[in-house]
Amino acid sequence: GAGVSQTPSNKVTEKGKYVELRCDPISGHTALYWYRQSLGQGPEFLIYFQGTGAADDSGLPNDRFFAVRPEGSVSTLKIQRTERGDSAVYLCASSLTDGNTDTQYFGPGTRLTVL
Amino acid sequence: QKEVEQDPGPLSVPEGAIVSLNCTYSNSAFQYFMWYRQYSRKGPELLMYTYSSGNKEDGRFTAQVDKSSKYISLFIRDSQPSDSATYLCAIITGGSYIPTFGRGTSLIVHP
Repeated sequence: GAGVSQTPSNKVTEKGKYVELRCDPISGHTALYWYRQSLGQGPEFLIYFQGTGAADDSGLPNDRFFAVRPEGSVSTLKIQRTERGDSAVYLCASSLTDGNTDTQYFGPGTRLTVL
Repeated sequence: QKEVEQDPGPLSVPEGAIVSLNCTYSNSAFQYFMWYRQYSRKGPELLMYTYSSGNKEDGRFTAQVDKSSKYISLFIRDSQPSDSATYLCAIITGGSYIPTFGRGTSLIVHP
């Protein structure tokens, strides 16, 4: 498909477990963003990649959260020692470049539930 | 106080009505203004984008920005049941690339 894809679509885990969420951006898009959307709220920025490097990780809530994009395409968001408060929809977006006029295209999200 | 305030609704209107959705913001450095539509269990989709005060029209949608009042609006004419979704405003400061989102307004257009 031509859009941003995210897997899994749903993830249920137990408190304390480790999870990985995957994002496959639109081919050729150099910028990739992760957001977290809690119920009834707008998306909140977590981290942004330009190519392979994390250009801005100021939105990561703590050191349990980490993301990589080793080849400048697919990205993985990793959460260690999950907590119930981590339950949310994790959205990925990509854009052609990182200009503030560039449209960000969002994936459908991964719904994470921590029991 | 959040940087971007948006009434969560829900806003329920009959088909064919004119819908007005609004956001207020507090940071004068905000320069780029966007409206996204988000259907249930989908990611947000960009509807409108503008950077200046005034109106911008695209089909049935009109985005309005009043920088002096720090107030932005989205108008939907001849609303359809397919317009039922959550509408998110998003704003970016000059020199940045990360939008700050409002919490979204849930719109229901009933036949």
